[in-house]
Amino acid sequence: DQQVKQNSPSLSVQEGRISILNCDYTNSMFDYFLWYKKYPAEGPTFLISISSIKDKNEDGRFTVFLNKSAKHLSLHIVPSQPGDSAVYFCAASGETGANSKLTFGKGITLSVRP
Amino acid sequence: EAEVAQSPRYKITEKSQAVAFWCDPISGHATLYWYRQILGQGPELLVQFQDESVVDDSQLPKDRFSAERLKGVDSTLKIQPAELGDSAMYLCASSKDGYEQYFGPGTRLTVT
Repeated sequence: DQQVKQNSPSLSVQEGRISILNCDYTNSMFDYFLWYKKYPAEGPTFLISISSIKDKNEDGRFTVFLNKSAKHLSLHIVPSQPGDSAVYFCAASGETGANSKLTFGKGITLSVRP
Repeated sequence: EAEVAQSPRYKITEKSQAVAFWCDPISGHATLYWYRQILGQGPELLVQFQDESVVDDSQLPKDRFSAERLKGVDSTLKIQPAELGDSAMYLCASSKDGYEQYFGPGTRLTVT
């Protein structure tokens, strides 16, 4: 039973346009959400996070939106750049402190065309 | 910028052999995690340490996998004996406050 779902395996976007990556979750106990970016043969790199008490968090070109009632979050990248081409993982956590286990989705491969 | 260190980066081993991976977390990070990532999937937690204590090892195949963090700093993950199905990326991560986790570059294991 997958608790974090990234239903679209891939996304292709023109450089300069907006990339929207979606993520759904089923566990209502999740209260902290993160996005990671991963290049081949490297470990995931933390991008941005959001707590369940917020509905939006912005960091430069990256914005994460959270809709708790729909159990849905999305990552917006504006403007998209070729260097953004990577696999993006959505992750969720139900607790903080010593029990902060992350549950990951399967990832979305983003390709930004020059 | 401080990083999580892992070694080796790549490991090829024959099935039934023993293999070990090492991780050095970011200085001051009390929580350390080992994840396994199979191609096409997201990382899955194998074991979590808080200082030198195991917090969660419910997904660790204890008949062949072991992990330790003796002094609460660096950590070793061992597989003995390795099986073909263990081929994967093994990722180490650390966290200071239990929120963001920072990952190392991983060890790509191939079992032949």
